[in-house]
Amino acid sequence: GAVVSQHPSWVICKSGTSVKIECRSLDFQATTMFWYRQFPKQSLMLMATSNEGSKATYEQGVEKDKFLINHASLTLSTLTVTSAHPEDSSFYICSARDTGGKYNEQFFGPGTRLTVL
Amino acid sequence: AQSVTQLDSQVPVFEEAPVELRCNYSSSVSVYLFWYVQYPNQGLQLLLKYLSGSTLVKGINGFEAEFNKSQTSFHLRKPSVHISDTAEYFCGRGFNKFYFGSGTKLNVKP
Repeated sequence: GAVVSQHPSWVICKSGTSVKIECRSLDFQATTMFWYRQFPKQSLMLMATSNEGSKATYEQGVEKDKFLINHASLTLSTLTVTSAHPEDSSFYICSARDTGGKYNEQFFGPGTRLTVL
Repeated sequence: AQSVTQLDSQVPVFEEAPVELRCNYSSSVSVYLFWYVQYPNQGLQLLLKYLSGSTLVKGINGFEAEFNKSQTSFHLRKPSVHISDTAEYFCGRGFNKFYFGSGTKLNVKP
């Protein structure tokens, strides 16, 4: 299957700072990428859908000004957690979908563990 | 709203025993269901999916699931588990946007 990478795999930051997480599709072009958040012992919750060249679509209850998403190329989407606070500590997972190629499913990255002190 | 319920948060089982992980979904006109597995420190990996056709879906690693419309269920089964099957399993639904259940941790004991 296709490979999706995330960077960094883990990050610790101070409260009030911003953190950028990258999601890359390594061997296919992803017109659509998705960002999820996973709390301990809970499921993945879809945060937003990122479409290349257009604004992201956020799920209800997700603050778009806090979680900035940019999908500037067909292989890269970034999630920036602005002015992070301890409650933003979580596991963030991205997935990428190749709607035009031989794959028509979502491929998931390994996740990024964010800890805000 | 589209929802998926995984009834068991943890399932302990001995090696070589059969296992069933339960999943129920809220009914709707069209249903696209799947199971993903998450091994420690790894990304989610697709086990199997159902969109239409045969209600018995075979996936990777010897897993299978049966779509039951009357019961609104999509339970995952394996006739004989291995230690290496220890992982967290997520049932979900959706075609473009995915919605996941709360996950079931399968713990295979020797």
